[in-house]
Order: sequence, then structure tokens, then C-alpha cells
Amino acid sequence: NAGVTQTPKFQVLKTGQSMTLQCAQDMNHEYMSWYRQDPGMGLRLIHYSVGAGITDQGEVPNGYNVSRSTTEDFPLRLLSAAPSQTSVYFCASSSSGTGLFFGQGTRLTVV
Amino acid sequence: DAKTTQPPSMDCAEGRAANLPCNHSTISGNEYVYWYRQIHSQGPQYIIHGLKNNETNEMASLIITEDRKSSTLILPHATLRDTAVYYCIVRVGSGAGSYQLTFGKGTKLSVIP
Repeated sequence: NAGVTQTPKFQVLKTGQSMTLQCAQDMNHEYMSWYRQDPGMGLRLIHYSVGAGITDQGEVPNGYNVSRSTTEDFPLRLLSAAPSQTSVYFCASSSSGTGLFFGQGTRLTVV
Repeated sequence: DAKTTQPPSMDCAEGRAANLPCNHSTISGNEYVYWYRQIHSQGPQYIIHGLKNNETNEMASLIITEDRKSSTLILPHATLRDTAVYYCIVRVGSGAGSYQLTFGKGTKLSVIP
């Protein structure tokens, strides 16, 4: 099993550009989520999904969209990137009774 | 979820046991204690969790006080690779709420040669 795979690992965007951060898991977990981590801070929940077709907002959802068409994939979309979205983004998955399994992160810089 | 309090940093000599405390005095009956760690620049890693009994796995031991208001994560023989930020998180154990984690700033553990 590859676990949770995030792509790309690094990305530089210009203000106003759009992009999609990809996240895929091969553990058949029903729950997936996106977190962001800013320097010196803990992780903050952006969006989460408890199953295909079901998504909900976390603590900091503004500026981000998500969808969950399959169990395996949970992409995060930035529609119009802003410098405030410069951060490290982590995708995670879990199932009932397990801890969260995290990907290795996407380091995004918006200039 | 119940709020947790952890010291911002700790040092531990290599080969000695590292004991990381966590206070969760407002924990409710259906909330579990979870521990994660984050090694520099990597994604957080699940370590262990428990409800009220002490737990042990290949990575660590979790000691929860009888009143469940605090807990201690024990790394029995710390190595340099255990240098990381350790997060104590309390959350409900089932349902949609169990999947949402609130990460604080954690404890920065430095293992000293």
C-alpha cells in the first residue's frame, strides 16, 4: 500500500491563479480531510469528507473548494490564489477506529 | 472537543525514557486521547490512543490517570530520530466528529546525544 499520496510536493503560484492539489489513498478509508500548517502553528482543518459525495467545511474553508467523487480521491481546489494561502497542505485519511494517516504534504507558495 | 495543555518544549537524553505530559481536565466520557508526532517537514504520524486504560504499542506507552484529566506519553528509550513535535489531541471516538482533529502547538521534544 502506498498510503496517502499527495501531488505535487512543491508549487509556486502567482496571485489569482487557480490550481488543484491532489490527494489519493489506497486504504479504502471512508474519511478524508485537508489541513494547512503555517510556520510555527499547529494544523488547521480546511475541509473534510465522511464518504463519497459528502463534504463539509472545517475551521478555515474560505478560498478552497473540495469534492469527493470516489472513495480514493479528495482534491483541494484553490480558485484564485492569494498570498495568505502560502502554507503547507496535508491530506489525511482514516477509518472507524484508526488514527489519521497523513500524506507528506504539498508546499505551496503564492507570490 | 476538550482543550489540551502541553509544555511547549522538553529535552531528553538519548537512551533515556521521554515522558511527555498532557492536561485535558475538561475531557468528557466519550472522548479518547490521541497522540501524534510530526518530524520536521513531514506529515504527522499517529502514535497511540486510549480511552481510560493504559495502552502500549511498538512505539510508545500511554498512561491515563484514573480521573482521565491528564495523560503521559512515554517513549521508553528515546533516540535522535524521536526529535519531533508531539501533539496530544482529545476527540470523540465515533461518528463524523471523531474524524475532525484540532491540533494545538504541541510539545517540541529534543533528544540530546
